[in-house]
Amino acid sequence: DSGVTQTPKHLITATGQRVTLRCSPRSGDLSVYWYQQSLDQGLQFLIQYYNGEERAKGNILERFSAQQFPDLHSELNLSSLELGDSALYFCASSTIQGARSNEQFFGPGTRLTVL
Amino acid sequence: AQTVTQSQPEMSVQEAETVTLSCTYDTSESDYYLFWYKQPPSRQMILVIRQEAYKQQNATENRFSVNFQKAAKSFSLKISDSQLGDAAMYFCAYQLPNFGNEKLTFGTGTRLTIIP
Repeated sequence: DSGVTQTPKHLITATGQRVTLRCSPRSGDLSVYWYQQSLDQGLQFLIQYYNGEERAKGNILERFSAQQFPDLHSELNLSSLELGDSALYFCASSTIQGARSNEQFFGPGTRLTVL
Repeated sequence: AQTVTQSQPEMSVQEAETVTLSCTYDTSESDYYLFWYKQPPSRQMILVIRQEAYKQQNATENRFSVNFQKAAKSFSLKISDSQLGDAAMYFCAYQLPNFGNEKLTFGTGTRLTIIP
């Protein structure tokens, strides 16, 4: 158990719909990262938050957005869903010491299926 | 942009034997981290081993060790005494340590099968 929790574990929805994925980081971790894994591929970085502020952005679609709340949990919002959005979405968290980042701990992922 | 390449989509090994998974990467940076992650059928991402580029000594974690060749930009994973529980997808990943730029860049993975 990494200490990172994600809900829900599975989500099945239809094209055009909107969903919200939730992540709670490990206790004390201020950085949260979102990754997308499609069809047995490697993980693709989507976005990073640190202590409530966006820090880095990857290849995140405009239909996707995220935020980190004061209690440090994060939500990834996916809208106007398409079949190609079906994937495993991971959240990871880490601490920062000085100007260096420590290793990222991954949650169990949310499996999104768009029908 | 940094890239990570795993040229072996699939590998297999007899139980108790040794197997080496390959990874190459491209970067112009001198300070970075390299990782091997294991993803079993449960889909959980599990950190296997980590290497800091400024450390010349190869990292080792029990049966897992790496061969880090910085000049060649190569980072292979050796699994000794392979066990059935080692069957999984293995991903090589690269990371810059600098705050605000520490996303992980992953390779496409190698599926490892253990033959009993």
